[in-house]
Amino acid sequence: EDQVTQSPEALRLQEGESSSLNCSYTVSGLRGLFWYRQDPGKGPEFLFTLYSAGEEKEKERLKATLTKKESFLHITAPKPEDSATYLCAVEDGGSQGNLIFGKGTKLSVKP
Amino acid sequence: DVKVTQSSRYLVKRTGEKVFLECVQDMDHENMFWYRQDPGLGLRLIYFSYDVKMKEKGDIPEGYSVSREKKERFSLILESASTNQTSMYLCASSLVFSGETQYFGPGTRLLVL
Repeated sequence: EDQVTQSPEALRLQEGESSSLNCSYTVSGLRGLFWYRQDPGKGPEFLFTLYSAGEEKEKERLKATLTKKESFLHITAPKPEDSATYLCAVEDGGSQGNLIFGKGTKLSVKP
Repeated sequence: DVKVTQSSRYLVKRTGEKVFLECVQDMDHENMFWYRQDPGLGLRLIYFSYDVKMKEKGDIPEGYSVSREKKERFSLILESASTNQTSMYLCASSLVFSGETQYFGPGTRLLVL
């Protein structure tokens, strides 16, 4: 069965303390891996799409990387406004565009 | 920018009522999706649609139906609302191709009393 597991479930950082979030997946054929940010009471906001192992994408303090089994979301020198839940989702080759979501990592950045 | 809008941010309904949740996207996307999100369970797919008048069941379709009469609009219907359908409902849309990003609306928080 296809699975997406995110770790840790929750992460508390001090402002400026860099860290990484993990998304491990098992699918029969990866069509794409997606990272979203979700603020409380709002819909997920798209961050990145990764398609193949070795691919990297960056946006401000965030950098996403992909291997054959997992993806990392690196957060460099985070600020309090980076506090949110970060969701990972994968599209399996046989799923016709449907995504399998992880349960998310809740990030809190304290000033 | 892609824009997905949902008809209500908050709804309170009574058990047994028929509930309509509406979603509209303005990017001419072929695919539209309805999810529910619950603490500890993550996002779960209820129904999706690849084209007008087409619908496919997702992982948890029981107790729900959908309607897509126009390309830009996708409605989720709770035929007879129950308390276990209290949840955050999220609509999303994407282009027809596989591997395309899904863009989400702001969500509707539904409380069934």
